[in-house]
Amino acid sequence: QQQVKQSPQSLIVQKGGISIINCAYENTAFDYFPWYQQFPGKGPALLIAIRPDVSEKKEGRFTISFNKSAKQFSLHIMDSQPGDSATYFCAASNNAGNMLTFGGGTRLMVKP
Amino acid sequence: EPEVTQTPSHQVTQMGQEVILRCVPISNHLYFYWYRQILGQKVEFLVSFYNNEISEKSEIFDDQFSVERPDGSNFTLKIRSTKLEDSAMYFCASSELAGGDTQYFGPGTRLTVL
Repeated sequence: QQQVKQSPQSLIVQKGGISIINCAYENTAFDYFPWYQQFPGKGPALLIAIRPDVSEKKEGRFTISFNKSAKQFSLHIMDSQPGDSATYFCAASNNAGNMLTFGGGTRLMVKP
Repeated sequence: EPEVTQTPSHQVTQMGQEVILRCVPISNHLYFYWYRQILGQKVEFLVSFYNNEISEKSEIFDDQFSVERPDGSNFTLKIRSTKLEDSAMYFCASSELAGGDTQYFGPGTRLTVL
C-alpha cells in the first residue's frame, strides 16, 4: 500500500533527447509527489513537485505529468543534457504526515 | 544558500559498537528527518521529529535507534549496537513546514559496519 514503483531502472538518452521516467503508487492518501535528483556522493535534491489538483507542472526543461485516476506520475526532461546525468527518484507523501516514500530510482545517462 | 550539514562524512565502526551521526538542519526549519540508503537501493524513511518528539517512524527504526536534538542546532541519530546490515548512507533532512513541504537533504554520512 505504501509502495511507489519506478521505471525504468536505467535510461540512456542522447543529448537533446527527451528522458521519461514513470512512477506508480497505490496509496490514495498520497497527495504530494516530488522528484529528487541525486548526483554521486550527494544527498537527494528536490527537482520539482506536484499536487494532485493539477495534471501537469512545468519548470524549465522539467515537466511532471500526473494522472490521478491511474495513480501514475511521470517526469519528462526535455532537451536532455550530459549534466542531467544523475539518479532520479520519485517520491510521495500525504498531507497528514511527513514521511517521504521513495521509488527505486532511475539512473539516467545522457550521452553527448 | 542555507544547507543541511552532516558529520562525519564517513564512519567506520565494529559490529556491536554505538555510533552517533550528527546533523545541523537549516536554522529556521522545525521538522527533521533521517533516511537511509543502502548502496544501490532506494532511499528509505527512518524517522521524523518535531517539537522534541518523534512524529513518525518506520519499521526500520527499532529499539536500536534513537534521535535527539541536544541543543538548538544539532539533530543526532544514535545506533546503539550496530549490525552489518546497518551499513548504508544516512541522510538527514529538514523542512520548514509539515505535510508536503520541501525536505532539504544533507550530503549524508556513509556508515560502514565491519
